[in-house]
Amino acid sequence: DVVMTQSPLSLPVTLGQPASISCRSSQSPVYSDGNTYLNWFQQRPGQSPRRLIYRVSNRDSGVPDRFSGSGSGTDFTLKISRVEAEDVGVYYCMQASHWPRTFGQGTKVEIK
Amino acid sequence: QVQLVESGGGVVQPGRSLTLSCAASGFTFSSYSMNWVRQTPGKGLEWVAVISNDGSWTNYADSVKGRCAISRDNSKNTVFLQMNSLSAEDTAVYYCVRNWQTDYWGQGTLVTVSS
Repeated sequence: DVVMTQSPLSLPVTLGQPASISCRSSQSPVYSDGNTYLNWFQQRPGQSPRRLIYRVSNRDSGVPDRFSGSGSGTDFTLKISRVEAEDVGVYYCMQASHWPRTFGQGTKVEIK
Repeated sequence: QVQLVESGGGVVQPGRSLTLSCAASGFTFSSYSMNWVRQTPGKGLEWVAVISNDGSWTNYADSVKGRCAISRDNSKNTVFLQMNSLSAEDTAVYYCVRNWQTDYWGQGTLVTVSS
């Protein structure tokens, strides 16, 4: 199985400041079609996960542009340019190129 | 808008069976593969099973292979997860998730395996 490793696991941030989450995969999530199927999810307290980013860097509809994804190979990053109160929650990366689908452990973002 | 509504969770004794359902609306159900993903406090998010749009192909996590069966009824826009020989390790919130790329998630249904 592809192991997804996130860091940090806890991220206290100041409102208005940037935040960055790293995700490393044990093997490249490049699919046979040449696309890299690496997704990011946000899970707010008491809610189900919501996809924010697909294929490394594409924002889903309705996702604020302060969220951005980047990376290649086995190293990927989710950045929040200016953290807002509504961004509190747990963020997960997931590879969707190989079976079984696998998730990172989650990074808890909280306000300092 | 896309809606996925899970049902069928509850408290079940170890060794017993349970079937979860997910009613879909707001999209052409028969055009999309569907997944089940579960979440536990200790193990985080774990993908469980997937079924192709026409039901011809399925795949399972090793942790449930041989004990679970995913199926769908495209005439009723519903996907199912039958779980057998349940153990405490199956205690989790189970989410119904659309598509190979997991774009929409339901609100989840809690399964508690306990005597």
